[in-house]
Amino acid sequence: EVQLVESGGGLVQPGRSLRLSCVASGFTFHDYAIHWVRQAPGKGLEWVSGISRNRNSIGYADSVEGRFTISRDNAKNSLYLQMNSLRPEDTALYYCARGYSGYESGLDIWGQGTQVTVSS
Amino acid sequence: QSVLTQPPSVSGAPGQRVIISCTGSSSNIGAGYDVHWYQHLPGTAPKLLIYGNYNRPSGVPDRFSGSKSGTSASLAITGLQAEDEADYFCQSYDSSLSGLFGGGTKLTVL
Repeated sequence: EVQLVESGGGLVQPGRSLRLSCVASGFTFHDYAIHWVRQAPGKGLEWVSGISRNRNSIGYADSVEGRFTISRDNAKNSLYLQMNSLRPEDTALYYCARGYSGYESGLDIWGQGTQVTVSS
Repeated sequence: QSVLTQPPSVSGAPGQRVIISCTGSSSNIGAGYDVHWYQHLPGTAPKLLIYGNYNRPSGVPDRFSGSKSGTSASLAITGLQAEDEADYFCQSYDSSLSGLFGGGTKLTVL
């Protein structure tokens, strides 16, 4: 079965760090770009970051630029999101999602999400 | 405020046709970047409905169709069904490798 499974979410204080992971199975991970997308409570979807299959293209939303770092380990079929200097407005359900064909493509496979709550 | 603008809500009776618009700019949709559409039901992961402006993934009914013109795109849903009630999001990209989502449109089936 083709799937993505996120982990690493939790409750964290403002200013602290958290590292999210996304493990892929059922497809050739290194052939696809992968993105992080989040949804804050009562809000819409917000694109957070993306990384191409060979890491040549990496992008960040303005809201996380300089604080979040995306990376991938193709040998482990894994994607990561290192989140530093967390803010209450980073509270959201974080999804990883696969680009069906290249970096700027639609996202055809999504995980179920991992919840991040930033609060003192 | 989202870079891509969608109406907050649309509604229609069963069997009717509704259209959801997505307006961008010359920096994203108008620059030639494809538009993709998602259906999002509460408590579930978003589902890709349309990719590359007008293409449907396998399994998506042909009641759903997409189009793009200039700096805008549209999602049309014909033969509305109760199960279509959901939030719908458009998505595109820009030259800075940023992904962009519209603010979302809540579809109510009357």
